Amino acid sequence: GDSVTQMEGPVTLSEEAFLTINCTYTATGYPSLFWYVQYPGEGLQLLLKATKADDKGSNKGFEATYRKETTSFHLEKGSVQVSDSAVYFCAPAFKAAGNKLTFGGGTRVLVKP
Amino acid sequence: DTGVSQDPRHKITKRGQNVTFRCDPISEHNRLYWYRQTLGQGPEFLTYFQNEAQLEKSRLLSDRFSAERPKGSFSTLEIQRTEQGDSAMYLCASSFPGRPKQFFGPGTRLTVL
Repeated sequence: GDSVTQMEGPVTLSEEAFLTINCTYTATGYPSLFWYVQYPGEGLQLLLKATKADDKGSNKGFEATYRKETTSFHLEKGSVQVSDSAVYFCAPAFKAAGNKLTFGGGTRVLVKP
Repeated sequence: DTGVSQDPRHKITKRGQNVTFRCDPISEHNRLYWYRQTLGQGPEFLTYFQNEAQLEKSRLLSDRFSAERPKGSFSTLEIQRTEQGDSAMYLCASSFPGRPKQFFGPGTRLTVL
């Protein structure tokens, strides 16, 4: 079945460091791809998305590119801030499966001043 | 506020009791999804509706669980004879017809004592 593998955390960084969180998926089709973020004590928020190969999603300084050939959607940010401390979830959605989201296990990121 | 709302936000119950949660989606959205998130894990899909029709149920949804969306607007998720293993955050999300992007509610945190 469809699945997603996400880099395990926690990831601890200093402010202004570069962040990358790896995400790969297995599937028989071509899903839409999402990164969701969960800040401490808050609900899930959509961070960015990409719906077809080579699309780049971006938001709040974060970027991820839909790589069909490697079935990956790695999340990157060039200079993190303390406010980026959160749990990040990678999630493909398959149209043939009603666009339900299949979430990775989440990666906790802690940014220290 | 035109976002997805869930009620209650927190529920504490004793093992063996029945509980019911409500989700009000964004009004123009015809798809409604339920997910469950246990501590330290990513959300897992439970079920989804298109209008009033329940189109898919996960194997996670045992016969103690039932979900309805009688008029194609709000949805309820009932758990009968709760068990300690049911303790989790129950998340609701909704989406526009045919669009993969889902908007999440704040969740209902269930604690079964």
